[in-house]
Amino acid sequence: DAGVTQSPTHLIKTRGQQVTLRCSPKSGHDTVSWYQQALGQGPQFIFQYYEEEERQRGNFPDRFSGHQFPNYSSELNVNALLLGDSALYLCASSLAAGTRSYGYTFGSGTRLTVV
Amino acid sequence: GQNIDQPTEMTATEGAIVQINCTYQTSGFNGLFWYQQHAGEAPTFLSYNVLDGLEEKGRFSSFLSRSKGYSYLLLKELQMKDSASYLCAVHDQTGANNLFFGTGTRLTVIP
Repeated sequence: DAGVTQSPTHLIKTRGQQVTLRCSPKSGHDTVSWYQQALGQGPQFIFQYYEEEERQRGNFPDRFSGHQFPNYSSELNVNALLLGDSALYLCASSLAAGTRSYGYTFGSGTRLTVV
Repeated sequence: GQNIDQPTEMTATEGAIVQINCTYQTSGFNGLFWYQQHAGEAPTFLSYNVLDGLEEKGRFSSFLSRSKGYSYLLLKELQMKDSASYLCAVHDQTGANNLFFGTGTRLTVIP
């Protein structure tokens, strides 16, 4: 049973460029949440997707956008990259009614470096 | 909104016991998670508390007091491999089921 898969693993981009990160949820999960984790900090919630729509959003600018596909996979897009966007981007999948203790599964993340 | 607070760093000796505290303020509390995260890796699930009290799972235990907005993670018989960051996360039902994390506590286990 595959867990959460994220791609790419590492990425280097230039300031001002655009980037797309991808996430395939755990089999059986229908909800995807994205987090940004700066070095030495806890993960910060970006947004959550369910039924191909953004269901909740954290305190991130509109440069951060996303999409969920019919197969529940998801993309995170960041436009006009800033140096401060350098971070580990984590994807977590769950069930929409996921209140169970093991309901959230995290991917290994994409390490984005903006230069 | 959510406000989650935990110490930034802790150091403990191999074989000892360490307690990592977490206090929180949130509007739609549903439960509290503890995750372990090694550098550059994904967080891995340790525990989930919904009701007040202590949950024990091997060397790790977690405690919750909903009325005080307080939790702790207790690690016994520390091993060198326990050196990692420990993340406290509130499971919040406001708007949607979601997790909101503290800054994490970086634990260093020394010989």
